Amino acid sequence: EVQLVESGGGLVQPGGSLRLSCAASGFTFSIYWMSWVRQSPGKGLEWVANIKQDGSEKYYVDSVKGRFTISRDNAKNSLYLQMNSLRAEDTAVYYCAREYCSGTSCYPDYWGQGTLVTVSS
Amino acid sequence: QSVLTQPPSVSAAPGQKVTISCSGSSFNIGNDYVSWYQQLPGTAPKLLIYDNNKRPSGIPDRFSGSKSGTSATLGITGLQTGDEADYYCGTWDSSLSVRVFGGGTKLTVL
Repeated sequence: EVQLVESGGGLVQPGGSLRLSCAASGFTFSIYWMSWVRQSPGKGLEWVANIKQDGSEKYYVDSVKGRFTISRDNAKNSLYLQMNSLRAEDTAVYYCAREYCSGTSCYPDYWGQGTLVTVSS
Repeated sequence: QSVLTQPPSVSAAPGQKVTISCSGSSFNIGNDYVSWYQQLPGTAPKLLIYDNNKRPSGIPDRFSGSKSGTSATLGITGLQTGDEADYYCGTWDSSLSVRVFGGGTKLTVL
């Protein structure tokens, strides 16, 4: 059974930093792209970043470029999101998602339960 | 403002059919496949449809997807109260090099 378990969320002051982790199990982590997707309270889904299987390619939404860094440790079956210079608008539930590539397209197929990040003074 | 446009809400009676539209551009829907997600209250999104019209195992055939040009549609037949949820479309945008989602559609089963 595919499982993705996020951790590391919490309350942080504006300008602060936080590192999210996602522990993966039930599949061969090293052969999948992985993503972070966030959802602000009462709002829709916003894709944040993704990373290739070997970490050689990374993509970010403009609003987090230069502040957030996605990374992975295939030996530990783990995905990370280092978040610096946090702003109030970064407040959201952050989901870790596996990206499945079918040969025709890639899409998030399994999602974790999410971890809440609150940026407030 | 989402790159993909969905109606904020739709509603229908139990047993009826509903469709949810998702409109984009030649850089996203017109250039890639569409996936659809169901988010029940208080839970994580769940994949309903991928590659425009394919269903993962375990998803009932009451759920269907289609795409034409720069628009996609999710259809749900035989509505049940348990289908009340937010539904999101998603795809890759080649001009922005980001994954984009619609703003979400809240389905109410009256």
